[in-house]
Amino acid sequence: EVQLVETGGGLIQPGGSLRVSCVASGFIVSSNYMSWVRQAPGKGLEWVSLIYSDGSTYYADSVKGRFTISRDNSKNTLYLQMNSMRVEDTAVYYCVRESRWFRAPSYYYYMDVWGKGTTVTVSS
Amino acid sequence: DIQMTQSPSSLSASAGDRVTITCRAGRSINIYLNWYQQKPGKAPNLLIYAASNLQSGVPSRFSGSGSGTDFTLTINSLHPEDFATYYCQQSYSTPYTFGQGTKLEIK
Repeated sequence: EVQLVETGGGLIQPGGSLRVSCVASGFIVSSNYMSWVRQAPGKGLEWVSLIYSDGSTYYADSVKGRFTISRDNSKNTLYLQMNSMRVEDTAVYYCVRESRWFRAPSYYYYMDVWGKGTTVTVSS
Repeated sequence: DIQMTQSPSSLSASAGDRVTITCRAGRSINIYLNWYQQKPGKAPNLLIYAASNLQSGVPSRFSGSGSGTDFTLTINSLHPEDFATYYCQQSYSTPYTFGQGTKLEIK
């Protein structure tokens, strides 16, 4: 069964650091594009970061320089390292697999597998 | 960044109704447009990818259309389980952006 399970959320003080993890089963993380998407309480969805299968990484401006996406191929696990955390980083963090559909001449990407999310609360 | 604007923000309808949700992109995104459904306390679920392709396992009462800047999600004959929040998302370029959501409520 294709599945993503996030762990590592919790309560952290402003300025602190936290790493959330996402273990994948049923597919290979390193062969796919993988994203982190977050949702603040009562708010909409916000894309946070993306890692390509070739290892290239991309970030939302709101987290650039503070967050780092990475993966451990031996553990089939995706990570999000969050540093210099702010109150506005409080959210449920979802790990997401992207798949693609080809219609010449382009690939079209979409988020087809989501984890249940892990809750991160930044508060003093 | 490409801004995505959904309308309406909320919508009341009855079971059996046909509803349409609109998503407008700030600039042309070809068909790099996906639709998701989210129920309270749950992760989003993919409905439509590349503007009009129905994800496997999604009921055929859901359909999508559009290209360029204007897109629609249509739900024919609403079922009770369709009352949820719907989001569009562009995958044309990073940063990926979502619409603000449309909350579909029971009338």
